[in-house]
Amino acid sequence: QVQLQESGPGLVKPSQTLSLTCTVSGGSISSGSYYWSWIRQHPGKGLEWIGYIYYSGSTYYNPSLKSRVTISVDTSMSQFSLKLSSVTAADTAVYYCARDDDIGGMDVWGQGTTVTVSS
Amino acid sequence: QSVLTQPPSVSGAPGQRVTISCTGSSSNIGADYGVHWYQQLPGTAPKLLIYGNSNRPSGVPDRFSGSKSGTSASLAITGLQAEDEADYYCQSYDSSVSGSKVFGGGTKLTVL
Repeated sequence: QVQLQESGPGLVKPSQTLSLTCTVSGGSISSGSYYWSWIRQHPGKGLEWIGYIYYSGSTYYNPSLKSRVTISVDTSMSQFSLKLSSVTAADTAVYYCARDDDIGGMDVWGQGTTVTVSS
Repeated sequence: QSVLTQPPSVSGAPGQRVTISCTGSSSNIGADYGVHWYQQLPGTAPKLLIYGNSNRPSGVPDRFSGSKSGTSASLAITGLQAEDEADYYCQSYDSSVSGSKVFGGGTKLTVL
């Protein structure tokens, strides 16, 4: 079955760019049925949708983060990536990637990766 | 403030039935966009519990059910079990902000 795995630095300095990658295995990232989403969860808080990308490269971002977010896809590597610029301590969170479908919801999630923003 | 409003906490004794509400507006739930529910056990990633208002993915017990009416949705859990103690989130799409997926603030279920 499809599995997702996040990877990237666990510690990022303030003002730098957070970069994470989600690797998709057991299925095709180029399936036209799905979007590929990033979601984060601040410590002890709820879920916040960051944005998603379609395999064609079309992207949609949370308006509150749009100015700092870039999501890209590499279909040859079966990966999609998140870049969040100008990070502050408020970006410290667990970051999840997920397979997303308007009708079926986010049905496959990665295990999550903790990113701490600190000098 | 979340676009979708959930009660912060609910509780119930083993075997009982509990419901968790998710209140939205005419730009999300009321606009006939589907509502999905997720269960997050402590220290783990969220898991899809209900999709498209009332559908259960394979493997989800039929003790869990979802419904939608107007601008609100509900998750019901019958025959409450200790392992149901978790955080539950509703999620939908909001047309007031282009292409935006939205989550409820989450509800902590405590099994007494």
